[in-house]
Amino acid sequence: SQTIHQWPATLVQPVGSPLSLECTVEGTSNPNLYWYRQAAGRGLQLLFYSVGIGQISSEVPQNLSASRPQDRQFILSSKKLLLSDSGFYLCAWRLQGASNQPQHFGDGTRLSIL
Amino acid sequence: TQLLEQSPQFLSIQEGENLTVYCNSSSVFSSLQWYRQEPGEGPVLLVTVVTGGEVKKLKRLTFQFGDARKDSSLHITAAQTGDTGLYLCAGALQTGANNLFFGTGTRLTVIP
Repeated sequence: SQTIHQWPATLVQPVGSPLSLECTVEGTSNPNLYWYRQAAGRGLQLLFYSVGIGQISSEVPQNLSASRPQDRQFILSSKKLLLSDSGFYLCAWRLQGASNQPQHFGDGTRLSIL
Repeated sequence: TQLLEQSPQFLSIQEGENLTVYCNSSSVFSSLQWYRQEPGEGPVLLVTVVTGGEVKKLKRLTFQFGDARKDSSLHITAAQTGDTGLYLCAGALQTGANNLFFGTGTRLTVIP
């Protein structure tokens, strides 16, 4: 069966520090991968998605970047965090080419910027 | 502006009551999904609807896709405390689209 791992679960970082959040998927090959940010109790804002190694689509211009160095690894990064980067970050995967298939989410990372 | 607007934003009801959550848009979707999310976890898929007018039932939950495929509703009969959570609709604009547009969310609290 497929699993998705996201870490860390919580992170407290000072303004101006770098960021690296990692997400890995097991049990499937060549998935679509997604990074979302969620404001408290609200919907999900798509930040990046990837359909293959090295292929990144950015949905919202911002202080963040994403990379996919391996088929089942998706990394969210920042060189210098801003206060506005605080939030709940979710990684997800989905089978390619199947928009009516579910997206499977990790348990998220709660990021607090001080 | 959000592509998918959900209403109400918050809903607090007594156990045993019925409720309906709405998901509306001016855009047409090829498919629409409903997810439920509990605190500290990622959303989990409840259902996918793909045909205009389609109705799907999942125990006490009934999902409907609008005839024009621009809106959807989720009806819960005889709510239970286990139904508490954040309900999210999400739509794909095209068949085979790589990304979903998520709704604004409805926070449901069922009081025992």
